[in-house]
Amino acid sequence: QSALTQPPSASGSPGQSVAISCTGTSSDVGGYNYVSWYQQRPGKAPKLIIYDVNKRPSGVPDRFSGSKSGNTASLTVSGLQAEDEADYYCTSYAGSDNLGVFGPGTKVTVL
Amino acid sequence: QVELVESGGGVVQTGKSLRLSCAASGFTISNYGMHWVRQAPGKGLEWAAVIWSNGIKKHYVDSVRGRFIISRDVSENTVYLQMNSLRPEDTGVYYCARDLSYYSSSDWGQGTLVTVSS
Repeated sequence: QSALTQPPSASGSPGQSVAISCTGTSSDVGGYNYVSWYQQRPGKAPKLIIYDVNKRPSGVPDRFSGSKSGNTASLTVSGLQAEDEADYYCTSYAGSDNLGVFGPGTKVTVL
Repeated sequence: QVELVESGGGVVQTGKSLRLSCAASGFTISNYGMHWVRQAPGKGLEWAAVIWSNGIKKHYVDSVRGRFIISRDVSENTVYLQMNSLRPEDTGVYYCARDLSYYSSSDWGQGTLVTVSS
């Protein structure tokens, strides 16, 4: 159950874009199209913002987008807003015999 | 609408047991995978345990396997996490979540705090 790799922090000014990477292996991120991204604000439960690599749940702004190339998935937040300041976690399915894995989280700061 | 309400957290000594409950409403738990996700103070998220929709297949994070048991009562529409031989490193907020598509969960409870004192 190896964790995924994410940068600890990312930042951008309002209106700019920020991209967060999530690197795994061919046994998780690279092997399946089941990468999800969660936003978590302090003291709150996580909120799903991307699932199945690039799908957005109802109500999530299209400023949030997801992609994947090989063993690395990415979350891009375009048109940064102050409310986007939060921790972002990626997670991936790792096969039918294994528990899913999370990345360590990336703290996004809006400058 | 979908609602998940956790209960059963509290302060407990090392080596003791606790049982967490997650009461679901607005859907039938037998149709979904159900997760327990935990978060230690100031740390990241961790999938602790999952029970898949068939009720038979279950997975645990290595650090709790053999100590924690996830189960469900379909008649009560409730998921449980029996936590035995608790350790200080089990301290944290425990969330219940409904699986949408292989570890994507759009429905979460408010969380219940477990504190294991040494």
